[in-house]
Amino acid sequence: EAGVAQSPRYKIIEKRQSVAFWCNPISGHATLYWYQQILGQGPKLLIQFQNNGVVDDSQLPKDRFSAERLKGVDSTLKIQPAKLEDSAVYLCASSPRSAGNTEAFFGQGTRLTVV
Amino acid sequence: RKEVEQDPGPFNVPEGATVAFNCTYSNSASQSFFWYRQDCRKEPKLLMSVYSSGNEDGRFTAQLNRASQYISLLIRDSKLSDSATYLCVAGGSSASKIIFGSGTRLSIRP
Repeated sequence: EAGVAQSPRYKIIEKRQSVAFWCNPISGHATLYWYQQILGQGPKLLIQFQNNGVVDDSQLPKDRFSAERLKGVDSTLKIQPAKLEDSAVYLCASSPRSAGNTEAFFGQGTRLTVV
Repeated sequence: RKEVEQDPGPFNVPEGATVAFNCTYSNSASQSFFWYRQDCRKEPKLLMSVYSSGNEDGRFTAQLNRASQYISLLIRDSKLSDSATYLCVAGGSSASKIIFGSGTRLSIRP
């Protein structure tokens, strides 16, 4: 079974530039998550989709971050404009839609460095 | 208060030792609990689910105390390959968010 695919693996940009990350979840998984993981910390949930609807985006900095999940499959996360503190690994995860099972499967992440 | 709290460690123990991690969660409505393992510069991967009755997988034992809202992980006969960060996770129903703790770093020395 193919896992969660993310691209790019690495990205270096200057502050105030824009960047976009892409995620393709495991086939059939209805739930998709974007997490931000800063070095030395645990993953922080940015946004959760159930199919193509947003379930939770309470910790998404909406003045600069946006995410969409068209057709309930692939998703993109965008940062515009980037700040130095956005340097982190952005992890995409997906989860099957089964009652009581919220195990998340992660992609390898995109490591963003803002200089 | 963080929704899921863990002792960040690091725990530095000799090979063969037994080590235990605890984790507390604040949302009493949480229904699903997991331990994930994350190696350096890698993505988190599921280590084991945590059930109310407690569960064991080889050298690993996980327990849940709903009354006190804490989760534990016990590693017996630790191996060098157990060195990693262990992330405690609490989630709700299938449509609820999954919240990670900050992780506990474990280092096993020869």
